[in-house]
Amino acid sequence: DIQMTQSPSSLSASVGDRVTITCRASQGIYNYLAWFQQKPGKAPKPLIYDASRLQSGVPSKFSGSGSGTDFTLTISSLQPEDFATYYCQQYNSFPLTFGPGTTVDIK
Amino acid sequence: EVQLVDSGGGLVQPGGSLRLSCAASGFTFSDHYMDWVRQAPGKGLEWVGRVRKKTKSYTTEYAASVKGRFTISRDDSKDSVYLQMNDLKTEDTAVYYCVRVGPSGSLSLDYWGQGTLVTVSS
Repeated sequence: DIQMTQSPSSLSASVGDRVTITCRASQGIYNYLAWFQQKPGKAPKPLIYDASRLQSGVPSKFSGSGSGTDFTLTISSLQPEDFATYYCQQYNSFPLTFGPGTTVDIK
Repeated sequence: EVQLVDSGGGLVQPGGSLRLSCAASGFTFSDHYMDWVRQAPGKGLEWVGRVRKKTKSYTTEYAASVKGRFTISRDDSKDSVYLQMNDLKTEDTAVYYCVRVGPSGSLSLDYWGQGTLVTVSS
């Protein structure tokens, strides 16, 4: 199975900050990497697919990059609605696997 | 508008069975693979399995943790996908989400249901 790791596991940031979350795969996954945002009690919301493509309706303050084993999600200017948990997920091979999540909270 | 409505969750005893349903609307259901993903209370996301579309013979994939106990099926005439869960264990307690797989060329998970809670407890 492909193991996904994320760093940091949590971070505190202020409104307006630029935030970067890193995701690493235990083996190469090309660009078959997605990012999700989840708020308490809600279903995950897809943000990014194919490592860098924005899902429909997702604001351009979110961006993704990387290929192979190392990926990043960047939020260019954090807003109050962005405080949430973020998960990466690989879909290169079965079983599909998720990272453990990065919680972004208010400093 | 794409909608996925999950239902069928509830309280079940260890060793019991439960069948979850997901009703889809707003897109051509038969064109898409469908997945189930779960999330134990306070934990991360775990992929459960997939059912492919008719042109791929409705083949399925499962996580090792559920293989042999869970079965995913679909009824394209009803725009619905199902998760039959047998021999349930306490560790199967989770919110279960039905998820649409994106179009060919990008098999990402692009739409999620609201989830349905399954509690396995005596």
